[in-house]
Amino acid sequence: QQPVQSPQAVILREGEDAVINCSSSKALYSVHWYRQKHGEAPVFLMILLKGGEQKGHEKISASFNEKKQQSSLYLTASQLSYSGTYFCGTEGPNSGYALNFGKGTSLLVTP
Amino acid sequence: GAVVSQHPSWVICKSGTSVKIECRSLDFQATTMFWYRQFPKQSLMLMATSNEGSKATYEQGVEKDKFLINHASLTLSTLTVTSAHPEDSSFYICSAGPDRAGGYTFGSGTRLTVV
Repeated sequence: QQPVQSPQAVILREGEDAVINCSSSKALYSVHWYRQKHGEAPVFLMILLKGGEQKGHEKISASFNEKKQQSSLYLTASQLSYSGTYFCGTEGPNSGYALNFGKGTSLLVTP
Repeated sequence: GAVVSQHPSWVICKSGTSVKIECRSLDFQATTMFWYRQFPKQSLMLMATSNEGSKATYEQGVEKDKFLINHASLTLSTLTVTSAHPEDSSFYICSAGPDRAGGYTFGSGTRLTVV
């Protein structure tokens, strides 16, 4: 079942922060985050496994609350290169690695 | 990092012909490969799951006789769009995994245009 992402779109100025949320109505085994630029394939950002993981790389971090079946992606001090569409992909306990993707969050960072 | 090669990057074909798209994991063995389809400004929709040496599992609403998937080895899966029609025009993306980091690596995608 498709997870729900919010917001649908956000416009930021360079240096501002943003949070993208992903929630599911079903139990989750893992949550994957990807960024896709126009005309390109999605690029893997990070994976969070059940057990309440939080992780980050440089100024992008994410958390996974498996009890609430939610994950959030945090973009800190955004850069122009962060612009793109962010997708969360969720994996259920029995989905066999197949991911269900949310509809995406369009992020635009302006100078 | 893990690399997945997808070919071709784009293809234009005539209505009624068949098109084959290849997905290769270059530096890891992928027990599972997935095929997605993406329409403009929409999310990725899973078409099928392909496991090496067994028949692909198709999602509801995906015609298995139209979208033939073969996963001949741990590094290669192919998607053949048979008797293509203009409504099959789309962006097709494969992903392979899990890789060493536990994630799924996407290919670069194939833009299919049927005229």
